[in-house]
Amino acid sequence: SYVLTQPPSESVAPGETARITCGGNNIESQTVHWYQQKPGQAPLLVIYYDSDRPSGIPERFSGSNSGNTATLTISRVEVGDEADYYCQVWDSSSDHYVFGTGTKVTVL
Amino acid sequence: QVTLNESGPALIKPTQTLTLTCTFSGFSLTTTGVRVSWIRQPPGKALEWLARIDWDDDTFYSTSLKTRLTISKDASKNQVVLTMTNMDPVDTATYFCARGSGSSAFDYWGQGTLVTVSS
Repeated sequence: SYVLTQPPSESVAPGETARITCGGNNIESQTVHWYQQKPGQAPLLVIYYDSDRPSGIPERFSGSNSGNTATLTISRVEVGDEADYYCQVWDSSSDHYVFGTGTKVTVL
Repeated sequence: QVTLNESGPALIKPTQTLTLTCTFSGFSLTTTGVRVSWIRQPPGKALEWLARIDWDDDTFYSTSLKTRLTISKDASKNQVVLTMTNMDPVDTATYFCARGSGSSAFDYWGQGTLVTVSS
């Protein structure tokens, strides 16, 4: 089955840039989505189709996908961005949704 | 306005069957392209997709749990039901239902319901 690997944690200072990676075999051939999940809340879609933002998501959130790595970039990080972030794809070879292992972003 | 709400028992005993209901509004499961999935999250762990049902009654299941899961819908009631048999303490998790979009992303989620499996 398809596996998506994320670093467990990422620390960033306010105002700096956070880059969260999602590794998968030839992931560039997949469509990657990203979710933000704060404690006690449901996940929130922040990026879809690799790099599109849903309505209401700040432009500070952006995404890219190339080779074996997809990346969620959060520019000018704010304290409110502290959360867990998950990548996700639909693996058509197995008809499964797959989530990444999750990355906890801490704003120092 | 799209909303989804999960309901079901908060506590269930090992070996019992879990039945969860997702009641939604703001969209119809008779509309072409609409899908609803169940996803769970054990405490402190990652999200895990369980099952999906489509507007045309197609169903998809996690391979690892397929033998224990059944997903169904009652479009007239705007509900999707998930049953999971032979519950075990490792199935303790928050269970979410979510709407699937055409992009294969989950664009709307319920708030989740915590299910604890314990004798």
